[in-house]
Amino acid sequence: AQSVSQHNHHVILSEAASLELGCNYSYGGTVNLFWYVQYPGQHLQLLLKYFSGDPLVKGIKGFEAEFIKSKFSFNLRKPSVQWSDTAEYFCAVNARSGGYNKLIFGAGTRLAVHP
Amino acid sequence: KAGVTQTPRYLIKTRGQQVTLSCSPISGHRSVSWYQQTPGQGLQFLFEYFSETQRNKGNFPGRFSGRQFSNSRSEMNVSTLELGDSALYLCASSLWAGRETEAFFGQGTRLTVV
Repeated sequence: AQSVSQHNHHVILSEAASLELGCNYSYGGTVNLFWYVQYPGQHLQLLLKYFSGDPLVKGIKGFEAEFIKSKFSFNLRKPSVQWSDTAEYFCAVNARSGGYNKLIFGAGTRLAVHP
Repeated sequence: KAGVTQTPRYLIKTRGQQVTLSCSPISGHRSVSWYQQTPGQGLQFLFEYFSETQRNKGNFPGRFSGRQFSNSRSEMNVSTLELGDSALYLCASSLWAGRETEAFFGQGTRLTVV
């Protein structure tokens, strides 16, 4: 069965610090990869996605992620975080072979950024 | 373009009752998926509908069911509610099923079972 692991459940950073959130998945086939963000009181929003091609993808608000196929990883990065990045971040995987829209989510990482 | 609309936003029900939640996808989107979000279990896939057909189902009891109408709007029903069904129920809308497609989420319906 597919699964997604997010290594850090809680991360606390100061503004301007760099961020890297780890995500590993287990599935041997072709996948679509996503990072979603949930700001307090708001709905899940797509930060970035990887379908194919360049393994380094850029998303909104200065976030980027790198797909490393050999490591089954899709880590999220941001060089300099802001207080407004305080949110919960979810990595998600969708296996493409089934032709379904079934997202498997990681447990999430709560990020708190202090001014 | 309007986003994914879920109604109602909040619901309080008692054990044993049933509940119906509604989701209107983004115009033109044909796939609707449902997820349950709880503090303990996180985000879990319930089921997906595409062209009025349930195409995939998560590991939930038969008390959880759904349907999709010809205009792609979807409803989810939970019968014989249990305390553990208290959760945020999220609907996601996608243009297609599978392939290179992304899901757009609604605000959710927060169900509290007392």
